[in-house]
Amino acid sequence: DGGITQSPKYLFRKEGQNVTLSCEQNLNHDAMYWYRQDPGQGLRLIYYSQIVNDFQKGDIAEGYSVSREKKESFPLTVTSAQKNPTAFYLCASSTTGTGNYNEQFFGPGTRLTVL
Amino acid sequence: DQQVKQNSPSLSVQEGRISILNCDYTNSMFDYFLWYKKYPAEGPTFLISISSIKDKNEDGRFTVFLNKSAKHLSLHIVPSQPGDSAVYFCAAIPTGRGGSEKLVFGKGTKLTVNP
Repeated sequence: DGGITQSPKYLFRKEGQNVTLSCEQNLNHDAMYWYRQDPGQGLRLIYYSQIVNDFQKGDIAEGYSVSREKKESFPLTVTSAQKNPTAFYLCASSTTGTGNYNEQFFGPGTRLTVL
Repeated sequence: DQQVKQNSPSLSVQEGRISILNCDYTNSMFDYFLWYKKYPAEGPTFLISISSIKDKNEDGRFTVFLNKSAKHLSLHIVPSQPGDSAVYFCAAIPTGRGGSEKLVFGKGTKLTVNP
C-alpha cells in the first residue's frame, strides 16, 4: 500500500528534551511538509522540502529542525527551544510541478505531549 | 493575520439536509482553494478543490462555490450523512508558485450530522 506513515502515534517527553518525529512516504513524492495543529486552530506549516537535501522554513519554524537525506524520509526534531511543543504534528507529501496544484497527502499524525 | 477564515467553529445539521460550510479569505492572490476533511486523531483527507478562475465545482454530494468579489467560498454537502461528521478545513494556495508548498489553512469547522 502506498502512503505516509508517522511514528509513534503518541509520544511523551520531559520538558527540556529534544524529540524526533518520524515521517516516511512510499508515494515517490518529491515534496514533504510538516504541520502543527493546536486545539481550535488550523494547520500551520513548520518546514517543507521540495527535494532531497533542501528544505525551507514555514511560518512557525522556530524551535524545530528537519533533515531530508532521503526522498522517502523527512524527520522533524522538536528542540528544547520550542516554547510550546505539546501539539498534534502532521506530515504530508506531494508531487511538485508548475501546472495544477499538487495535492498534499497527509499521514495519521503524532500527538506529542511534553510533561 | 489570518488570510483564510472559517468563522463558524461548529455546525450541526440533520441527516438528509444540506450542510453549508463557509470560508472567507483576505488575500486575492490565491490560485486554488481546497477543502479537507479530518476525523479526530487522523490526518486530513482531500475532499474537493476549485480554481480561482471558476465559480463552481461539483463532485457527487459535494459542491464548492467561489465568489471572488466577496472573497468567499462555501462547501455544500447534499444530502448530509452521519459519516460526514468531521472537521472541515478550508485551504488556499497562493499565486506564483507551482506547488502547493504554501497551503494556508483556516481554523476549521466541526460538522455534526445528527441521525
